[in-house]
Amino acid sequence: DAGVIQSPRHEVTEMGQEVTLRCKPISGHDYLFWYRQTMMRGLELLIYFNNNVPIDDSGMPEDRFSAKMPNASFSTLKIQPSEPRDSAVYFCASTGTGYSPLHFGNGTRLTVT
Amino acid sequence: GQQVMQIPQYQHVQEGEDFTTYCNSSTTLSNIQWYKQRPGGHPVFLIQLVKSGEVKKQKRLTFQFGEAKKNSSLHITATQTTDVGTYFCAGPRDQKVTFGIGTKLQVIP
Repeated sequence: DAGVIQSPRHEVTEMGQEVTLRCKPISGHDYLFWYRQTMMRGLELLIYFNNNVPIDDSGMPEDRFSAKMPNASFSTLKIQPSEPRDSAVYFCASTGTGYSPLHFGNGTRLTVT
Repeated sequence: GQQVMQIPQYQHVQEGEDFTTYCNSSTTLSNIQWYKQRPGGHPVFLIQLVKSGEVKKQKRLTFQFGEAKKNSSLHITATQTTDVGTYFCAGPRDQKVTFGIGTKLQVIP
């Protein structure tokens, strides 16, 4: 079990550029979550999927953010265009059922200058 | 907004002292989960409580779930430097898992 794999680990980009974060959940897990972590707001749930279908995206900040899950083993979170206030650590997590513990990836630290 | 509120937000303790963090929800929770995040790391699952009034222990850590299933606490006895990190509670609701702001624990050797 390789765990949840996220890439890249670090991303530095300039304001206005497109950023794509990637996540590979644990095989067999049906739920995938994207979180954003900042000092001020803690761990915010952005969106979650069940069986590749987005269930709740009410946490997505605005239209600049989009997430997809084209298959059971891959998800992306895209920010276009990026802004300095998007700087944060973005975590992906997966779980087998809705009430089972979450398994987090190592996160992507995004810096937008 | 956050489903659960957590206090305190920060806590500094001398090594060997006890530590407690509290988690409160305005609504009844089906269960509550606790996670620990080391500095620079990712949240790691510690424990899940399901039953009203449930108490679980993991070595020096004691977890409680309130009778009304609206609050929970994590107590660490005789803290060690390895306890440093941020402790989060999470209240899953309809498979949606939202976290408290966390309590950042600093242990002074």
